[in-house]
Amino acid sequence: SYVLTQPPSVSVAPGKTASLTCGGDNIGDKSVHWYQQKPGQAPVLVIYYNTDRPSGIPERFSGSNSGNTATLTISRVEAGDEADYYCQVWDTSGVFGTGTQVTVL
Amino acid sequence: EVYLLESGGDLVHPGGSLRLSCAASGFTFNNYGMGWVRQAPGKGLQWVSYITYSGDRTYYADSVKGRFTISRDTSKNTLFLQMNSLRVDDTATYYCAKDRLAARQGGLFDDWGQGTLVTVSS
Repeated sequence: SYVLTQPPSVSVAPGKTASLTCGGDNIGDKSVHWYQQKPGQAPVLVIYYNTDRPSGIPERFSGSNSGNTATLTISRVEAGDEADYYCQVWDTSGVFGTGTQVTVL
Repeated sequence: EVYLLESGGDLVHPGGSLRLSCAASGFTFNNYGMGWVRQAPGKGLQWVSYITYSGDRTYYADSVKGRFTISRDTSKNTLFLQMNSLRVDDTATYYCAKDRLAARQGGLFDDWGQGTLVTVSS
């Protein structure tokens, strides 16, 4: 089955940029979606189809996808961005990445 | 406003069965694919199952294939997950989620319920 690998944790200072990676075999050929999950809450879709943002998601959130790596970029990081982030694709079925915990220093 | 309310979570012995329900409102239920995603305590998200908007196709994670069955009742705007032969590692909060795309198989979820806890333990 298809595997998506994410770094377990990323730390970033407020106002800086966080880059979260999602690795998978030729993931650039797939559509990648990103979810944010805060403690005790259900996930929220923040990026879909690699680069699109649902309404209500700040422009600070952006995505890219090429080769074997998809990336979620959070610009001008705020304390409220502290959360777990998961990438997801559809292969023969759905697959989530292992998740990255973002800590705002 | 989209509203998804899961129910049916409980404590069950290994080998037992449970049926989860997800009552949907705020959108045209039979226009959207629906899915189940679970999260074991302190762990990451795990995709479980998906049913197309028309109900004609279903998909399962390898870990639940042959044990779980997803279905939908459009007359009741309700999604179900029948879980049989439950194992300790099925213990998790189970989320019901709605596909973002209408009348298409998108497999991405833009609305989620708050989850229902399933505990499998002897």
